[in-house]
Amino acid sequence: GDSVTQMEGPVTLSEEAFLTINCTYTATGYPSLFWYVQYPGEGLQLLLKATKADDKGSNKGFEATYRKETTSFHLEKGSVQVSDSAVYFCALRPSGYSTLTFGKGTMLLVSP
Amino acid sequence: EPEVTQTPSHQVTQMGQEVILRCVPISNHLYFYWYRQILGQKVEFLVSFYNNEISEKSEIFDDQFSVERPDGSNFTLKIRSTKLEDSAMYFCASSENQPQHFGDGTRLSIL
Repeated sequence: GDSVTQMEGPVTLSEEAFLTINCTYTATGYPSLFWYVQYPGEGLQLLLKATKADDKGSNKGFEATYRKETTSFHLEKGSVQVSDSAVYFCALRPSGYSTLTFGKGTMLLVSP
Repeated sequence: EPEVTQTPSHQVTQMGQEVILRCVPISNHLYFYWYRQILGQKVEFLVSFYNNEISEKSEIFDDQFSVERPDGSNFTLKIRSTKLEDSAMYFCASSENQPQHFGDGTRLSIL
């Protein structure tokens, strides 16, 4: 079945450091890919998405590129802030379906 | 910006009791979902609902679970006889098509 694998956390960075959170997926066909963020005590918020190969999703300085050849959708940000501390979830939506399959989530901790 | 609202934020229930989790989706959305997240684990899909019926459900969504849209605004998840392993954060989501917008969740604690 479809699945999403994310790097284990927590990821601990100093402010202004470069961030990469790896995400790879297994799916048939051409899924849509998403990154959701969960701030402490809050629900899941859509951060960015990509619906086809080579699409780049971007929002709030975060970027991720849909790489079909490596089945990856790694999340990157050039300079993290303390306010970026949260849990980040990679997810896919299989083609023709509406449901989301999530990864386990990666906690990011940014210190001043 | 419109948002999905869930009540209560925290529900504590005795094992074996029935519990109803409530959600108010975004008003013009047509698709509704429930997900759950057991502490320390991934977010898991439970059920999706469209046009007043279940459109998809996972293996988790057994006969103990049911969903209902009792009026034009609410979307509820009922667990008939709760078990300890039902303790989790339950998220409601809605969408017009895609993407899905999530509520802040209801933390369900079964004693």
